[in-house]
Amino acid sequence: AQSVTQPDIHITVSEGASLELRCNYSYGATPYLFWYVQSPGQGLQLLLKYFSGDTLVQGIKGFEAEFKRSQSSFNLRKPSVHWSDAAEYFCAVDPFSGGYNKLIFGAGTRLAVHP
Amino acid sequence: EAGVAQSPRYKIIEKRQSVAFWCNPISGHATLYWYQQILGQGPKLLIQFQNNGVVDDSQLPKDRFSAERLKGVDSTLKIQPAKLEDSAVYLCACLMYDGKKETQYFGPGTRLLVL
Repeated sequence: AQSVTQPDIHITVSEGASLELRCNYSYGATPYLFWYVQSPGQGLQLLLKYFSGDTLVQGIKGFEAEFKRSQSSFNLRKPSVHWSDAAEYFCAVDPFSGGYNKLIFGAGTRLAVHP
Repeated sequence: EAGVAQSPRYKIIEKRQSVAFWCNPISGHATLYWYQQILGQGPKLLIQFQNNGVVDDSQLPKDRFSAERLKGVDSTLKIQPAKLEDSAVYLCACLMYDGKKETQYFGPGTRLLVL
């Protein structure tokens, strides 16, 4: 079945530590890939996206993500986490590269940051 | 959240009551989406509009949910009658072209609690 999986429901890191949030998808072709962040009481903010080309994508707030076709993964990384990064992170997939512009979301990973 | 306004931000109702949410793209965007985000889950698409026509409403519980987009601008989502399981955040998103590809940008959401 087509799906987006975020294996980690909760992650806790110390401020200044590195971060990697995992995302795997199961679709036949390479979809368009997105990461969104949701702070408490807020809507979703786009962090970064991958459509084609360079598999390492830079986003806002110092985040980056790497698309690995062989692993069907699009993991989000940040070298040094700030307390303000505490939020919920959603990986999303647009499986219809022909332009339907629909998003399928993972269940999210909640990030806590210890001082 | 740029470009998408939603109201109200919070709503508390009793089961079997009716409720309506509004979405206002600040500048005109042809494609508009409504999502339901239940606590602990990722957003799930309810309905997609292209101008004032419905593109996809396959996941909209049509026995109680309805949505319209008159004149292809603002949109309303209604629940009548509400059930306890409708407690969720209702997110509106619009498709915006960012120079590379059209990407979904979200409003702040309406938090609904059904008692």
